[in-house]
Parts: sequence; structure tokens; C-alpha cells
Amino acid sequence: GAVVSQHPSRVICKSGTSVKIECRSLDFQATTMFWYRQFPKKSLMLMATSNEGSKATYEQGVEKDKFLINHASLTLSTLTVTSAHPEDSSFYICSAPGGAYEQYFGPGTRLTVT
Amino acid sequence: DAKTTQPPSMDCAEGRAANLPCNHSTISGNEYVYWYRQIHSQGPQYIIHGLKNNETNEMASLIITEDRKSSTLILPHATLRDTAVYYCIVRAGTASKLTFGTGTRLQVTL
Repeated sequence: GAVVSQHPSRVICKSGTSVKIECRSLDFQATTMFWYRQFPKKSLMLMATSNEGSKATYEQGVEKDKFLINHASLTLSTLTVTSAHPEDSSFYICSAPGGAYEQYFGPGTRLTVT
Repeated sequence: DAKTTQPPSMDCAEGRAANLPCNHSTISGNEYVYWYRQIHSQGPQYIIHGLKNNETNEMASLIITEDRKSSTLILPHATLRDTAVYYCIVRAGTASKLTFGTGTRLQVTL
């Protein structure tokens, strides 16, 4: 089946620095990708919808200037956490529609901000 | 998207069938029932979906009641590797965003 990859799988950064997370669709094109975050023992929360060739759509309460999304091509979306703080530590997951009904999820990126 | 209600946790003995219920009493006529699961520290995995007919694939069976207000995901022979959080989601059948509820944490035991 279709595969979505994320890089890096884990990242540790210092407070105040920025971190970029990549999401790639490996054998299919995705004009839309979705970014989620997940805190320990909690459910996935949708952050934003990444649109190829246009601006991302952010969910209510998500700061667009802090979580920069760039959908550079039909197979790549990036999420940059700017000026990261410890409260941004979380599991970030992307997904892409792989057909009419299915969504394919990446393996996730665990961000730890020290 | 319609809201779903699932029990927070369930246990199942290995080799037995795991039956995971989901209530979606406000489901609309054009909304599908989807099931995903998330094994610890991994991304969610698609399991199955259906509109009104019962569905079966290599992973599971989905039983939807006639009024479509509830459904049951059946793992016919649960294994330890099926231990995960199972999410029932209802949405229109296009490739749109998914809204996750709290899911059911299934623990398969020896």
C-alpha cells in the first residue's frame, strides 16, 4: 500500500531554536496533507491542512506563525516549529489521502524541547 | 463530522474475538464509518470502513446496525500485536481530514 514517511523520527532541540519536520508521500502524489500533534496518552489533534501551491489552513487555536507549513511539491510537506519551547514537546504526525477513502499516516516525529 | 462514543478500554484474551463497539447516533446519510488503530508510538493505521453494509477484509470485520447509529469492529482472532488504541471515526467519504476521538485502548493478554 501507499507509504508516508517522516523525517526525523526523533529530534531534541534547545528552547528558542527552530525545528523542521518533513513529511513525504513515497509512491503517490498528495495535493493535501494533514499535520497532527499528540500529547502522551491523548488523542491526535489536527493542527493544519497543508495544500500544495497555496497557504495552509490552520485549525482554531493553532498559531500559524509558530507552526510554519510549506507544501513544496506534490510529495513533500514540511512543518517548522519556530522558537520552540518545552510545551511544544509532542508527537507530530502527518497524513495524506491515498485514494477516495483512505488516509495514510506517517510514523510520527517525537520532538523534545529542552 | 458526527461525534462518536467508544468505551475507553477493553481487554481480550489472545486467540479470542475482540468486539469493539462504537456509537454514532448523529451520523448523516452520506457519512462513512471508519476504523483506525494506533499502536504505541506509531502513526495510525487504517483498518476498514463502511457505509451501511457489513464489511470484511484481511484485518477485521465491520458490522453496522440497520439504523447506522452504532457499529462494531471485530478482530476475529486477536493477537498480542493487536494491542493498540482503536479509533472509530465517521465522516463523508471523501479524502478529507479526520477528527479523532478518544478511542478504545484494547489490551490483548495471554
